[in-house]
Amino acid sequence: AQSVTQLDSQVPVFEEAPVELRCNYSSSVSVYLFWYVQYPNQGLQLLLKYLSGSTLVESINGFEAEFNKSQTSFHLRKPSVHISDTAEYFCAVSKGSNTGKLIFGQGTTLQVKP
Amino acid sequence: GAVVSQHPSRVICKSGTSVKIECRSLDFQATTMFWYRQFPKQSLMLMATSNEGSKATYEQGVEKDKFLINHASLTLSTLTVTSAHPEDSSFYICSAHAGGGNSPLHFGNGTRLTVT
Repeated sequence: AQSVTQLDSQVPVFEEAPVELRCNYSSSVSVYLFWYVQYPNQGLQLLLKYLSGSTLVESINGFEAEFNKSQTSFHLRKPSVHISDTAEYFCAVSKGSNTGKLIFGQGTTLQVKP
Repeated sequence: GAVVSQHPSRVICKSGTSVKIECRSLDFQATTMFWYRQFPKQSLMLMATSNEGSKATYEQGVEKDKFLINHASLTLSTLTVTSAHPEDSSFYICSAHAGGGNSPLHFGNGTRLTVT
C-alpha cells in the first residue's frame, strides 16, 4: 500500500522568505510523485511532478522539489515566496503506473504574510 | 491548455433529494475520468474511476448505489449523489487525463455540495 504524509499542516512565512513544505511517502513499488496547489474553492493545479530522470524538478513559478529515494521524500521548496503563493499545497503519489489514481497527503496551508 | 469544466460550482439541496454533478473535458477526449471527495480541511480521497462506455470502478468503502457515475461520452462524466444526507456535504472534484497515462491530470474547479 502507498501513503503520503505532509508533516506540516500550516506554514506561516513572511514575503520574500524561503520556504520548504515537507512530504514523505511510503510505497513498495516505484512511484510517481506530484505537488498540486489549490486556491480557495477551486480545483487543483499541477505544480510539478517527478516521473523519472533528474531527481530535481522545477515549476515555472519558482518552486522546486527533489525526489530523495533513500529518505522517501519529495519536499517542495521556494527560495523567495510571494503573497500570491498563499494557498493549500498537496503532495501526491500515484497508485502504480496509473497516474490518474492519486493518493494525496493531508495538505499544507502556506500563509505568506507581508 | 486542456480544461476540465465542472458544474455546478455550488449546490444546496434538501436531505433525501438527489444531486447531479457534471464533469466535462472541454478540448480533449477523456476515456477515463476520476472523482474525488474532499472534506473540510482534509485531503482529497479518490472515490471512483469513471470509464467511458462501461461501469465505474469504485474505491473500497464508497457506496456505488449512493454515488452513481455515468460516463456516456468521451467528454462527459456525471456523478449523482442519491438520497443525499447532511454527511454527504463535501467538495467533489473530477479530473481527467488530457492524453496518455503519463500526461498531466487536469482537475475541475470542484462542486461544493451542502445538504440541509
